[in-house]
Amino acid sequence: RKEVEQDPGPFNVPEGATVAFNCTYSNSASQSFFWYRQDCRKEPKLLMSVYSSGNEDGRFTAQLNRASQYISLLIRDSKLSDSATYLCAVNNAGNMLTFGGGTRLMVKP
Amino acid sequence: GAVVSQHPSRVICKSGTSVKIECRSLDFQATTMFWYRQFPKQSLMLMATSNEGSKATYEQGVEKDKFLINHASLTLSTLTVTSAHPEDSSFYICSAASITNTGELFFGEGSRLTVL
Repeated sequence: RKEVEQDPGPFNVPEGATVAFNCTYSNSASQSFFWYRQDCRKEPKLLMSVYSSGNEDGRFTAQLNRASQYISLLIRDSKLSDSATYLCAVNNAGNMLTFGGGTRLMVKP
Repeated sequence: GAVVSQHPSRVICKSGTSVKIECRSLDFQATTMFWYRQFPKQSLMLMATSNEGSKATYEQGVEKDKFLINHASLTLSTLTVTSAHPEDSSFYICSAASITNTGELFFGEGSRLTVL
């Protein structure tokens, strides 16, 4: 079993749709969690950190469920510019991030 | 925000040659830098952890004699792909953690290596 797993997609959604991604992790001792966005042939860029209490940044909401060992990302009112690959990342120790395989999102007009 | 610069962004080389990739933290000091590799349509795979002033820690399956890492200062780490082969063609990305350890990693722009 991979340490961090994501549905690779692609998720094809129309503009304005709400889409949710899940990511599961295997190490119960994992300390911190992140969602990154990666555009084609570019480096990942931090989208948001994920906290147990859940956090929201505009149209994006991230949540962490430690009991079930998964994190989620919800995107509301999808824009064409949201098309990208979304990577979840788990920090187990010492800033070392383990990435999921990424979920590809394609928002269509 | 913090900036990590990676150079070169793109390199094409002949099989058997060596290629050096630099990763610099421009406005902060990084005691630890990480080197990742990403093949097409796959995720980032950690290759090694580079610590300033000490030997790098390599992940299982990554040959330390092939991928030489040097972290000589708090702002610079280099990855040298020695005797490159076509199967080494990939996207190499570095990331750095600030010495103040805010928990966030900052990524370089990546270096796309093509070995002919």
